[in-house]
Amino acid sequence: AQKITQTQPGMFVQEKEAVTLDCTYDTSDPSYGLFWYKQPSSGEMIFLIYQGSYDQQNATEGRYSLNFQKARKSANLVISASQLGDSAMYFCAMREGSNAGNMLTFGGGTRLMVKP
Amino acid sequence: EAGVVQSPRYKIIEKKQPVAFWCNPISGHNTLYWYLQNLGQGPELLIRYENEEAVDDSQLPKDRFSAERLKGVDSTLKIQPAELGDSAVYLCASSPGGPLAGVPGDTGELFFGEGSRLTVL
Repeated sequence: AQKITQTQPGMFVQEKEAVTLDCTYDTSDPSYGLFWYKQPSSGEMIFLIYQGSYDQQNATEGRYSLNFQKARKSANLVISASQLGDSAMYFCAMREGSNAGNMLTFGGGTRLMVKP
Repeated sequence: EAGVVQSPRYKIIEKKQPVAFWCNPISGHNTLYWYLQNLGQGPELLIRYENEEAVDDSQLPKDRFSAERLKGVDSTLKIQPAELGDSAVYLCASSPGGPLAGVPGDTGELFFGEGSRLTVL
């Protein structure tokens, strides 16, 4: 089974509107972390936001928030007030276990395109 | 603070030729990763080092790929001989490693380099 599933290969959003990028995960480890990275066309992977499995509140970082629904094993990324510069690939990833050095497993990504 | 540095950024070679990629992680980061990213897909782990020890290399095609991290700092990834299907971006990442302290900001985030794009003709 896929550990990280991103079901939206591509998404369009109008500038200044909010958009939700879906991510579901699969693990039996009680300790895990969920990450979202942005990859613009230039190729670098930019860390956006993190949610730990024991965190009680949803993570927020500026215009980014993570809608963490533990029972449903989903960790959707919400981008508010979309900007043209948000156009990029977005990857959801998971680290299993409590070792900070453990690998991240990535989903297939969602390409977000922001329309002016 | 300098980020993860990779070279070369781009490499074009003929099939069956060898190629090597170099990575310098963030100073003090014990854990180093090599990921492979095919076009339009998410990165996939090739190998993970903790200091100089390869602790996860199950996805590394050992018949043609090799990696080393001498002295637990810089790392090289080599392909010999390269095949057409090896065309991809090779990403290096590093993290401090160790047990999570459970304090704010301690996420186990991976810091990525800009990648090395390989084209095999």
